[in-house]
Amino acid sequence: KNEVEQSPQNLTAQEGEFITINCSYSVGISALHWLQQHPGGGIVSLFMLSSGKKKHGRLIATINIQEKHSSLHITASHPRDSAVYICAVRNSGNTPLVFGKGTRLSVIA
Amino acid sequence: DTGVSQDPRHKITKRGQNVTFRCDPISEHNRLYWYRQTLGQGPEFLTYFQNEAQLEKSRLLSDRFSAERPKGSFSTLEIQRTEQGDSAMYLCASSLWTKKEKLFFGSGTQLSVL
Repeated sequence: KNEVEQSPQNLTAQEGEFITINCSYSVGISALHWLQQHPGGGIVSLFMLSSGKKKHGRLIATINIQEKHSSLHITASHPRDSAVYICAVRNSGNTPLVFGKGTRLSVIA
Repeated sequence: DTGVSQDPRHKITKRGQNVTFRCDPISEHNRLYWYRQTLGQGPEFLTYFQNEAQLEKSRLLSDRFSAERPKGSFSTLEIQRTEQGDSAMYLCASSLWTKKEKLFFGSGTQLSVL
């Protein structure tokens, strides 16, 4: 079973700061997902990566397959970015996602 | 709104009672997943369906748990003889299974067992 570790567990930032959240996994994967969870439970998929880098607005996700590591970056952070960010991996094509515990981000104005 | 709806949003029950949750996925989605999430943890996989077939069940899913997706559309998750340890958020997600599968989550059902 894949072990997914995220760091940090909690992160507090000032508005405008550049934020990095890290995800490491133990076994080779076919895909990695970054998701955002707001209070109340709603989870939204942000990115799905199998290699390289993806960008959407102020969010950037990168993955290094050899090092089994991914990062999620938020540029010019804003209080509305406050949420839990969750990394999830798929071991092979047909297996369910394995989730990390999440990183709780608070952006203060 | 992701298009995946779950009912009820909250359920409070007494230990030993049975509860049933419902999930309505996005209509054209062929895969439906159930996850459980407790405070401070990421979602844990319980089971999933492709159309009406239940393809995998986690070891977390004891004999007291059963899930169905009778017509390949909505799904129900039933917990019999609830225990306090069953208290959690139960999340449903659906997807159109392709190589680039993207999951769409419902808002979850928060279960509290007293």
